[in-house]
Amino acid sequence: GEDVEQSLFLSVREGDSSVINCTYTDSSSTYLYWYKQEPGAGLQLLTYIFSNMDMKQDQRLTVLLNKKDKHLSLRIADTQTGDSAIYFCAESILTTSGTYKYIFGTGTRLKDLA
Amino acid sequence: GAVVSQHPSRVICKSGTSVKIECRSLDFQATTMFWYRQFPKQSLMLMATSNEGSKATYEQGVEKDKFLINHASLTLSTLTVTSAHPEDSSFYICSARASDRVFHEQYFGPGTRLTVT
Repeated sequence: GEDVEQSLFLSVREGDSSVINCTYTDSSSTYLYWYKQEPGAGLQLLTYIFSNMDMKQDQRLTVLLNKKDKHLSLRIADTQTGDSAIYFCAESILTTSGTYKYIFGTGTRLKDLA
Repeated sequence: GAVVSQHPSRVICKSGTSVKIECRSLDFQATTMFWYRQFPKQSLMLMATSNEGSKATYEQGVEKDKFLINHASLTLSTLTVTSAHPEDSSFYICSARASDRVFHEQYFGPGTRLTVT
């Protein structure tokens, strides 16, 4: 089945690390993504990881993938006010028609407590 | 690069009328475009996948006669909400996949907020 779950809310203090978790069910995922959405805006791609990797680091962002447990996480180091947004994980799966489509998670609202 | 625009950004229409939303890839050619719907404080739900020059593929539960999709060129896809009702009020987001870039990536537009009164 196609199901991607995230916790709804996360509050952190400015300067601390934020860890946003995501679980998915479709084992055929090829790529997994993290997107950021600010109020009333579209989605901004933050980073992505290929399904045969277990970690990817990009400046303040660290993505961990546990394929066995179908668990993906995003760690944001030194969380700032500008990081407050909704974060969506998404998996890319190959459809029967041969194209890739995204399945989005439920989104985690990150709030920075200054 | 890889900019996607949507027009209009906001639209209010009366119940029973039709509304057209445009999605354009500004600096690349998009053989595939996607239309999503997002309810307040909820996730994005894929409505349909449109390929240039062919019929769109709709997800289960999405009425193709109500949500008409046209992908007439490599830079433009349109979504027409026909005979709109208040329950169609939502945030509609399109994305595009570039034919000459990383095959799996989608580039998202800023979204269109539709309010049906």
